[in-house]
Amino acid sequence: EVQLVQSGAEVKKPGESLKISCKGSGDTFTTYWIGWVRQMPGKGLEWLGIIYPGDSDTRYSPSFQGRVTISADKSISTAYLQWSSLKASDTAMYYCARQGMRGSFDIWGQGTMVTVSS
Amino acid sequence: EIVMTQSPATLSVSPGERATLSCRASQYIGFNFAWYQQKPGQPPRLLIFAASTRATGVPVRFSGSGSGTEFSLTITGLQSEDFATYYCQQYDNWPRTFGQGTRVEI
Repeated sequence: EVQLVQSGAEVKKPGESLKISCKGSGDTFTTYWIGWVRQMPGKGLEWLGIIYPGDSDTRYSPSFQGRVTISADKSISTAYLQWSSLKASDTAMYYCARQGMRGSFDIWGQGTMVTVSS
Repeated sequence: EIVMTQSPATLSVSPGERATLSCRASQYIGFNFAWYQQKPGQPPRLLIFAASTRATGVPVRFSGSGSGTEFSLTITGLQSEDFATYYCQQYDNWPRTFGQGTRVEI
């Protein structure tokens, strides 16, 4: 069974850096795009960006370009989402998801809750 | 950026009834469209892709239709486990975008 397993919840202070991870199984990281989705407390889904681990081709939403960095290490089947300087407004659940062959997100990670508070 | 607009924001229905959710894209997206279901405390789950194809394991009471800019999700014979929030998404253009969600409640 193909799975995406995300790193655990994080509590950080404003201005701190953070890198969360999403580890896949099978051929996921050589054949598929891996995307990141934000869900702020009580709100809807927001598409942050996506990476093709095979060649590191990356696309960002204009709303998040420059605020986050998406990367991947295909040798260990892991994608990353990182911030260099967190803000309180980054507090949210972050999901990684596999973009299937038809373009939709067919497999999702369990989510990583990021809390930024002084 | 393509804007996805869902309606209504909240839909109140009774078990056994039929629910119809709508989603409109701000520009033509063909059939590059998906529906997701999300329950509290869980990640989203893919229900429908390519506008009308049910994902693996999705019950037949869920059906999707539409193309171009207008799409709908119909749930016939609502069951208790169907009360959730539903999101639409376009994957025709970068960036991919989601609708704001429709909450289906009793």
